[in-house]
Amino acid sequence: AQKVTQAQTEISVVEKEDVTLDCVYETRDTTYYLFWYKQPPSGELVFLIRRNSFDEQNEISGRYSWNFQKSTSSFNFTITASQVVDSAVYFCALIKNYGGSQGNLIFGKGTKLSVKP
Amino acid sequence: KAGVTQTPRYLIKTRGQQVTLSCSPISGHRSVSWYQQTPGQGLQFLFEYFSETQRNKGNFPGRFSGRQFSNSRSEMNVSTLELGDSALYLCASSLTRTTGQTPYEQYFGPGTRLTVT
Repeated sequence: AQKVTQAQTEISVVEKEDVTLDCVYETRDTTYYLFWYKQPPSGELVFLIRRNSFDEQNEISGRYSWNFQKSTSSFNFTITASQVVDSAVYFCALIKNYGGSQGNLIFGKGTKLSVKP
Repeated sequence: KAGVTQTPRYLIKTRGQQVTLSCSPISGHRSVSWYQQTPGQGLQFLFEYFSETQRNKGNFPGRFSGRQFSNSRSEMNVSTLELGDSALYLCASSLTRTTGQTPYEQYFGPGTRLTVT
């Protein structure tokens, strides 16, 4: 069975601190895809990144970086120098059943990040 | 380019009633998926449509149904509403992948918040 675990339910940091959101996944597939989404208070899920299982290179996009480690089945997300606008719920997800369709996302429970000024 | 739109944004219904939610995908996106978000269960996949056909279905009772029109717009219907159906219903659209392609990211709308009393 496929599963995504985000053990951190809530994290609170002060602006400019670095913060890492953990994501651990389970899958028996050899090819799989992982995603991170952000859900601000407005409710709309915003796509952040997609990573396939063959690409273990870390990725950096501005203040955001992602560390993918197949050996530990983890896909962690770090925000450097956090800002108040980063306050949101962050979801890690795995896609399944995409053989005959676009696939459906299996989401973790999310980590609520609060960045205080 | 306009994003995914969902109507209505808020809805209050009584137990036993039925409800229809609407989703217009991003122009050019022909795949539409629906997800239910509740505090207890988190984000759960309902179903996916492409070319007016349901391609994939989550583990929800038959009271939940959907359809897609020739212009890719989609509706979902919940009959005989129960208190537990109170949730944020999110629609997502994506480009259509061909076999062997990497799954495209899904873009989400703002959701319809359904309250059942």
